[in-house]
Amino acid sequence: NAGVMQNPRHLVRRRGQEARLRCSPMKGHSHVYWYRQLPEEGLKFMVYLQKENIIDESGMPKERFSAEFPKEGPSILRIQQVVRGDSAAYFCASSPDRGGGNGYTFGSGTRLTVV
Amino acid sequence: SQELEQSPQSLIVQEGKNLTINCTSSKTLYGLYWYKQKYGEGLIFLMMLQKGGEEKSHEKITAKLDEKKQQSSLHITASQPSHAGIYLCGALNSGGYQKVTFGTGTKLQVIP
Repeated sequence: NAGVMQNPRHLVRRRGQEARLRCSPMKGHSHVYWYRQLPEEGLKFMVYLQKENIIDESGMPKERFSAEFPKEGPSILRIQQVVRGDSAAYFCASSPDRGGGNGYTFGSGTRLTVV
Repeated sequence: SQELEQSPQSLIVQEGKNLTINCTSSKTLYGLYWYKQKYGEGLIFLMMLQKGGEEKSHEKITAKLDEKKQQSSLHITASQPSHAGIYLCGALNSGGYQKVTFGTGTKLQVIP
């Protein structure tokens, strides 16, 4: 049973390009969370999704960022027209339900570098 | 909004020594997680505490939540190099799903 799979592990984009980050949750998990870890800062919540639904996107920047979790396939975090300030580690976590008793399972993250 | 402050920010200890990391919340905690992050990797779930006064242990790591549910401590006994990493406490959102507000972390180095 594979864990949460994120790809790519490392992504380099030039300013103005688009970045697409993928997250495949653990088998049987239908709840996905995205977090961002900026250099020397803590982990910040971005968005919580269930299959085909965005439940809470209160941590998403208002512009250029979007997330989806389609019925089939991985969850995608999309950043349009990237800027240097978007350089960070982006982590995805999944859980089988809404409750929190056993914590999340985190992926290893995608490290985005904008040059 | 809820804020979590961790202390110390960083810690260097000799192998075999005990250590404690503290996490203080600006609001009463609905639930409190402890995670460990190896440098450059994802987070590993350690423990979750929900009841005031609760204490849990896993191997040589013990976490406690105070009675008022605003402070937690993580204690490592007889530290080993494998304990090195970043320890993060996280406050569980009270909205019934796992939205977590994380502290800024404590970097632990264990010198052999």
